[in-house]
Amino acid sequence: DVKVTQSSRYLVKRTGEKVFLECVQDMDHENMFWYRQDPGLGLRLIYFSYDVKMKEKGDIPEGYSVSREKKERFSLILESASTNQTSMYLCASSLQVQGAFFGQGTRLTVV
Amino acid sequence: GEDVEQSLFLSVREGDSSVINCTYTDSSSTYLYWYKQEPGAGLQLLTYIFSNMDMKQDQRLTVLLNKKDKHLSLRIADTQTGDSAIYFCAESMIDYKLSFGAGTTVTVRA
Repeated sequence: DVKVTQSSRYLVKRTGEKVFLECVQDMDHENMFWYRQDPGLGLRLIYFSYDVKMKEKGDIPEGYSVSREKKERFSLILESASTNQTSMYLCASSLQVQGAFFGQGTRLTVV
Repeated sequence: GEDVEQSLFLSVREGDSSVINCTYTDSSSTYLYWYKQEPGAGLQLLTYIFSNMDMKQDQRLTVLLNKKDKHLSLRIADTQTGDSAIYFCAESMIDYKLSFGAGTTVTVRA
């Protein structure tokens, strides 16, 4: 079974802090994604990566950056956390067309 | 751009069939997916259908695709309490990005 692991289930951070969300997948997938999920809005793509050191902006990249130094790890960085970044963050990986496999999510609260 | 729409809520009696509907706008979609999200969990891939198919069945799940109308549905036969969850439809394009609907919350009542 594919396993996508996010480093934290719950995080509370202060406004202005730099926040790192880590994601690791164990199936040698090429593509990795970061989404945020908000009620009534579904999932919105922040960034994705289709190879090591490659990244592409999604629909809502503002205020975020990413890092992919190794194939199995994709990190999401909030440079200066703000209260409007309070959300559920979901990492996913995929191998071409078989669909994306998701981690359990990180619920981030910025106070 | 991509736009996927779903109704937000569905209530169904235990043992009945559930039908969750989805419309999408991008005719270049290659694959369409259904995901299930239980409370506090990530998304679980339920099934997917290639855009040149019109139906796929997998045990209690039946996916119907009307490509002309850009309409996708998921039918769950003999709905159980464990089927209560949020269901997302998603479309993917050539670059494998997924575009999701807002999700349909399915409530199964006894």
